[in-house]
Amino acid sequence: GENVEQHPSTLSVQEGDSAVIKCTYSDSASNYFPWYKQELGKRPQLIIDIRSNVGEKKDQRIAVTLNKTAKHFSLHITETQPEDSAVYFCAASIWGTDKLIFGTGTRLQVFP
Amino acid sequence: DVKVTQSSRYLVKRTGEKVFLECVQDMDHENMFWYRQDPGLGLRLIYFSYDVKMKEKGDIPEGYSVSREKKERFSLILESASTNQTSMYLCASSTTGTTDEQYFGPGTRLTVT
Repeated sequence: GENVEQHPSTLSVQEGDSAVIKCTYSDSASNYFPWYKQELGKRPQLIIDIRSNVGEKKDQRIAVTLNKTAKHFSLHITETQPEDSAVYFCAASIWGTDKLIFGTGTRLQVFP
Repeated sequence: DVKVTQSSRYLVKRTGEKVFLECVQDMDHENMFWYRQDPGLGLRLIYFSYDVKMKEKGDIPEGYSVSREKKERFSLILESASTNQTSMYLCASSTTGTTDEQYFGPGTRLTVT
């Protein structure tokens, strides 16, 4: 079945450094790749997404890149701040459905 | 602004009890989802509904059932709660037509003792 692998499971960075989280997916027909941020005790919220007809998308300090050939996509956060500390989930769409399959999450800690 | 609400933030039940978790969305979304969130396992889909009275099993449906009698409301039912169903349960909704953003509720932390 479809699968999404996410690495690393935990990531600690110093404030101001960059953070990169990587995901690989198994279904070459997947065409939608969202990233969710879940702060402690809060609901997951979409922070950025990308569709398969685009290779890169940027929104201020966050960016997502997609390599369809290799079937992987990455989240890049630049100039990290303590408020970026959260669990981040990647996801990939399941072809022919409105369903998503999620990665196992990355806990990002940004130290002041 | 999309709003997805869940009936309880915290719930404690005993083994063998029947448990109802309710989710309501106010954006007229066709799709509704129930996920289970466990540390290190991410979000796993329990059930999916794409229309009133329509449902589809997800990856981990065993021990659960669902009900969708109205478009805005999607209920998750644990017929006989067990300790291995202790978890965080998240409801989500989305529009249909093309896979798009899912909007999540605040979650229900269920403890079965």
